[in-house]
Amino acid sequence: DQQVKQNSPSLSVQEGRISILNCDYTNSMFDYFLWYKKYPAEGPTFLISISSIKDKNEDGRFTVFLNKSAKHLSLHIVPSQPGDSAVYFCAAPPYTGNQFYFGTGTSLTVIP
Amino acid sequence: DAGVTQSPTHLIKTRGQHVTLRCSPISGHKSVSWYQQVLGQGPQFIFQYYEKEERGRGNFPDRFSARQFPNYSSELNVNALLLGDSALYLCASSPEVGGAGEKLFFGSGTQLSVL
Repeated sequence: DQQVKQNSPSLSVQEGRISILNCDYTNSMFDYFLWYKKYPAEGPTFLISISSIKDKNEDGRFTVFLNKSAKHLSLHIVPSQPGDSAVYFCAAPPYTGNQFYFGTGTSLTVIP
Repeated sequence: DAGVTQSPTHLIKTRGQHVTLRCSPISGHKSVSWYQQVLGQGPQFIFQYYEKEERGRGNFPDRFSARQFPNYSSELNVNALLLGDSALYLCASSPEVGGAGEKLFFGSGTQLSVL
């Protein structure tokens, strides 16, 4: 049962433009969401998070938006840079139990 | 400060063999979790340990086992390896369990190939 879903396996964007990565979830009990970034041969690294009491959280070039009624969140990267090329995972921590739920990832390629 | 360290980085085994993967958490972190990532998929939860006790187990067969030591480092053991066990095994640590704003800090993983 995939409780966190990323329906776009890949995305290509020109350098300097906006990248928008999407994530949907099914469980309304989730109250906190994270985005992780993963380069090849490295582990995922934390990028940005958002609590369900907010609808937006911004950190530099990265902004995450949360639409609870739609059970949807998105990560915006503006402006996109070649170094942003990586796989991005959205994740939700356990509301009960111990496991984090991860989406399947979106591979972002920023073209110089 | 050192991050989460995992060893070995790469491993090649044959079917039926046994493997042990090791993880040292960030200093001060008491919780260690193990995740399996197959190419094209997100990390899948295997185990969580906190203060040397198993706190959670994912949907993996009994061939998978783990433990946490008094210094909070951890081992993941997999017996009777199958081809389908080929994956990146990620260890993650966190300071506590279940706190508000909890997040995982990952190591670089062990790439296991079963031939």
